[in-house]
Amino acid sequence: GDSVTQTEGPVTVSESESLIINCTYSATSIAYPNLFWYVRYPGEGLQLLLKVITAGQKGSSRGFEATYNKETTSFHLQKASVQESDSAVYYCALGDLANSAGNKLTFGIGTRVLVRP
Amino acid sequence: NSKVIQTPRYLVKGQGQKAKMRCIPEKGHPVVFWYQQNKNNEFKFLINFQNQEVLQQIDMTEKRFSAECPSNSPCSLEIQSSEAGDSALYLCASSLTSSQNTLYFGAGTRLSVL
Repeated sequence: GDSVTQTEGPVTVSESESLIINCTYSATSIAYPNLFWYVRYPGEGLQLLLKVITAGQKGSSRGFEATYNKETTSFHLQKASVQESDSAVYYCALGDLANSAGNKLTFGIGTRVLVRP
Repeated sequence: NSKVIQTPRYLVKGQGQKAKMRCIPEKGHPVVFWYQQNKNNEFKFLINFQNQEVLQQIDMTEKRFSAECPSNSPCSLEIQSSEAGDSALYLCASSLTSSQNTLYFGAGTRLSVL
């Protein structure tokens, strides 16, 4: 079946350090996989951070970047310099653009990131 | 910020009781999803709708859960007879089209079954 595996947390980094959260996927039943990063900040709901529909493309938002790599089936999330406000749980997710019955995303289990001041 | 509204935020039920939660999707979004996130942070898709019609649902949802998205009323998800294993965060999400997969999530309803 389809699955997403991501870095096990918690990941603790100091402010201004770089961050990378690994995400790999398996899309055995999906014709046109597309990839997402969602984030849940403390006390808030899940929200979209970035998405990439096409293999080889890069998505970016709020200083975060992720490149959809079809060869390595990866979609790692990176930020060059984190801030305390980046403390959150990050979820990698896999979707099927061609599913006309409605896309049901497959999520990873999330990576908790703690940024020390 | 998402404008998907879920109520209640917390729900406590005894085993065998009904548990009902509601969701108002983002304005103009005809597609609604329900997910269950368990204590291990694993997501499970339950059901989705386009307007009032069910698009897909899993077997568990067919048997013990009932869900609807009536016209001009909040969507709802109801567990007919709660079990301890149903304790989880229930997330509602909406999207503009069935194939446009940016889902906008509500804050969730946390159900505890004692």
